[in-house]
Amino acid sequence: GQSLEQPSEVTAVEGAIVQINCTYQTSGFYGLSWYQQHDGGAPTFLSYNGLDGLEETGRFSSFLSRSDSYGYLLLQELQMKDSASYFCAVGRNSGNTPLVFGKGTRLSVIA
Amino acid sequence: SAVISQKPSRDICQRGTSLTIQCQVDSQVTMMFWYRQQPGQSLTLIATANQGSEATYESGFVIDKFPISRPNLTFSTLTVSNMSPEDSSIYLCSVDTPVPGGNTIYFGEGSWLTVV
Repeated sequence: GQSLEQPSEVTAVEGAIVQINCTYQTSGFYGLSWYQQHDGGAPTFLSYNGLDGLEETGRFSSFLSRSDSYGYLLLQELQMKDSASYFCAVGRNSGNTPLVFGKGTRLSVIA
Repeated sequence: SAVISQKPSRDICQRGTSLTIQCQVDSQVTMMFWYRQQPGQSLTLIATANQGSEATYESGFVIDKFPISRPNLTFSTLTVSNMSPEDSSIYLCSVDTPVPGGNTIYFGEGSWLTVV
């Protein structure tokens, strides 16, 4: 089966850059997804990496190294509204979806 | 991307009762997935619901407790039966969604259930 490891908590200063790492163990690999979840809200999709390299979407970027079973989410120019939980997820060994999720990283942005 | 609507958004339920959550998608989708997120926890897959076949349940989830319907390609329901306080969770409907380079899932707004 799949397992994913990510830090439980990260704190960063407004305006700074933060990187949230995710390592995974899978019997097959079908892409790494990232989600953001604010308190009281549902998870929203942020980014997907199917191949090695960097994907950029505005202030958010996501990186994947399949050979290292590793990825990260990079948040730049942090804003207070970025305080949320961030989940990495991988496809099951039977295909891209459904996804198996990490335990989530709670990001706190401080002034 | 598909717009996914869930009802109810929130409910407070009595122990021992059952509640049905509805999920409506604005486009036809083959695969729908139901997840549960207990307080402070990650997301756990309950079952996969494909139209025209019985739902496939994950280990630890059974049809008697979480019956699912998938009558067409835009709608699904999840029932939480004989509820106990341990069933207090967010229940999330999601759909398989193509993205550049692969597929991922998008979630509905969630149904927050509190069992008292």
